[in-house]
Amino acid sequence: GAGVSQSPRYKVAKRGQDVALRCDPISGHVSLFWYQQALGQGPEFLTYFQNEAQLDKSGLPSDRFFAERPEGSVSTLKIQRTQQEDSAVYLCASSLGWDRNGYTFGSGTRLTVV
Amino acid sequence: SQQGEEDPQALSIQEGENATMNCSYKTSINNLQWYRQNSGRGLVHLILIRSNEREKHSGRLRVTLDTSKKSSSLLITASRAADTASYFCATDPSPRAAGNKLTFGGGTRVLVKP
Repeated sequence: GAGVSQSPRYKVAKRGQDVALRCDPISGHVSLFWYQQALGQGPEFLTYFQNEAQLDKSGLPSDRFFAERPEGSVSTLKIQRTQQEDSAVYLCASSLGWDRNGYTFGSGTRLTVV
Repeated sequence: SQQGEEDPQALSIQEGENATMNCSYKTSINNLQWYRQNSGRGLVHLILIRSNEREKHSGRLRVTLDTSKKSSSLLITASRAADTASYFCATDPSPRAAGNKLTFGGGTRVLVKP
């Protein structure tokens, strides 16, 4: 597609519920990133994929967070047993790889845990 | 943790005035990028400046980089109401992190009043 598509746009989850957030990157983009953005803050890195390989997951805040990109295109970020502190906007970005012209971000998924 | 700090945190100006915001960072970089984020939306890449560049222009945007002071500034000239947004700087570190992972600052919220 023309841009990075994320779904759902909004998700309300009860505490303890599992959620799955989807990212469709730009076709052909090798690199895919997930960021977490708390209200009023800048985005914080969660994890990075090059094709289907997860090369960096150092930003995942706990083992309740899991990301995959099994075929090197669509990626899913899963959060198990959600907690209130997981409430944030989750942003996905893609790039051609060693592209020096910046990332293309999706509009994000706003997760609210109640 | 966030690499950069942006100053000011918020800025309110009249349409037609210039807006200047600053970013300071801590570690060596390959490049520094500026992004804009409208409320409830994803980030849009504005401009990238490499570590060996000192100034760059794009339309009404002017970015400077001082690697000796580890700081950058973004100037928006002749601002318009549509420039109302949050602006973030992001650093691409050196040596390269896997996938040229960006680290974002906390952002400057700009309000342009008509």
